[in-house]
Amino acid sequence: NAGVMQNPRHLVRRRGQEARLRCSPMKGHSHVYWYRQLPEEGLKFMVYLQKENIIDESGMPKERFSAEFPKEGPSILRIQQVVRGDSAAYFCASSPLVNTEAFFGQGTRLTVV
Amino acid sequence: GENVEQHPSTLSVQEGDSAVIKCTYSDSASNYFPWYKQELGKRPQLIIDIRSNVGEKKDQRIAVTLNKTAKHFSLHITETQPEDSAVYFCAARGLGNEKLTFGTGTRLTIIP
Repeated sequence: NAGVMQNPRHLVRRRGQEARLRCSPMKGHSHVYWYRQLPEEGLKFMVYLQKENIIDESGMPKERFSAEFPKEGPSILRIQQVVRGDSAAYFCASSPLVNTEAFFGQGTRLTVV
Repeated sequence: GENVEQHPSTLSVQEGDSAVIKCTYSDSASNYFPWYKQELGKRPQLIIDIRSNVGEKKDQRIAVTLNKTAKHFSLHITETQPEDSAVYFCAARGLGNEKLTFGTGTRLTIIP
């Protein structure tokens, strides 16, 4: 089992560009969570998805951010018109069922220049 | 919503001594409390977790205790080793609420 796979590991975008972050959950896991970690801070919940459904997006900024988890393929976190404040590490986690432990990917470190 | 506070923010311990990190939570409905270890530039890794139906859980040198009445839980690391140096995060999750709310982290340094 390869674990939760995120790509790219590092992403540099200029202000105003779009960032697409990908997350492939562990095999057999249908629950995906995205968290954001600012430097020297803890992880903040962004969104929880199951296949083709957004279950909880209470941590997502109202504008520019969107997430999906299609029937086929990885989960995508999309940030439009990036700004410097979007620079952070974005971690994806997955779990097989509700109320079970979540395993994290290696993260994508987004730098906006 | 849930709020998790974690103390201390930094902790230095002599190798071989014990380290204790404490967290408090606000939502009495929370029932799952994991601890994650994060080394610099790496993913958070689950090291131990506890559910609200038990008061203590141990795994070799690591233990977690939970006091539901006081709404706090603690991580205990005994016989610390240099490889225990990392940032440790506590988290809480409520029944029917799948998101984890994290503490702000404790940077643990083991002094050889």
